[in-house]
Amino acid sequence: GAVVSQHPSWVICKSGTSVKIECRSLDFQATTMFWYRQFPKQSLMLMATSNEGSKATYEQGVEKDKFLINHASLTLSTLTVTSAHPEDSSFYICSARDDEASGSSEQFFGPGTRLTVL
Amino acid sequence: AQKITQTQPGMFVQEKEAVTLDCTYDTSDPSYGLFWYKQPSSGEMIFLIYQGSYDQQNATEGRYSLNFQKARKSANLVISASQLGDSAMYFCAMTHYGQNFVFGPGTRLSVLP
Repeated sequence: GAVVSQHPSWVICKSGTSVKIECRSLDFQATTMFWYRQFPKQSLMLMATSNEGSKATYEQGVEKDKFLINHASLTLSTLTVTSAHPEDSSFYICSARDDEASGSSEQFFGPGTRLTVL
Repeated sequence: AQKITQTQPGMFVQEKEAVTLDCTYDTSDPSYGLFWYKQPSSGEMIFLIYQGSYDQQNATEGRYSLNFQKARKSANLVISASQLGDSAMYFCAMTHYGQNFVFGPGTRLSVLP
């Protein structure tokens, strides 16, 4: 099956610093990737839709200047949490659609990145 | 608007018994896909089963089956012969082709020895 990787899997940072999370589709091309956030004991909530070669589409309430998304290639999307604060501590998960699987609604999830901001 | 409801925050089942996890959904689009994912404590999302809105038969994948009742907008997951390793969070999700997933709040399943 298609594989999506995320790096790092776990990061601890100081308040005020920036953290970059990478999402890679390893064996398929993905024009569209999605970034989700999951707080403890809650469900996954969509943050933004990442489109290769164009600006990301952010969900209501998600600050685009704080959560910078760059989808520079068909296999890589990055999420940068700028000036992170403790309330940004969460589990961040990306998913990707296979460009070759037209008509399929399946997406492939990365293993997630656990961010802790001290 | 799309919405997924899972009314069971937590469920217990005895090992080797079957369990049904409820899921209802709301959408005005006739084309959609329904998914069930398992999320163990490690956090990874493990795909279990998929049902397309136009599929005539209920989906099955090994010990997992989906009881799809389109008129009632329900897509319950049935796990047969529960195993201790089935203990996890289970999320029902819906997508319209090409778009993001909308997830339900999840059900925590605990399998008792």
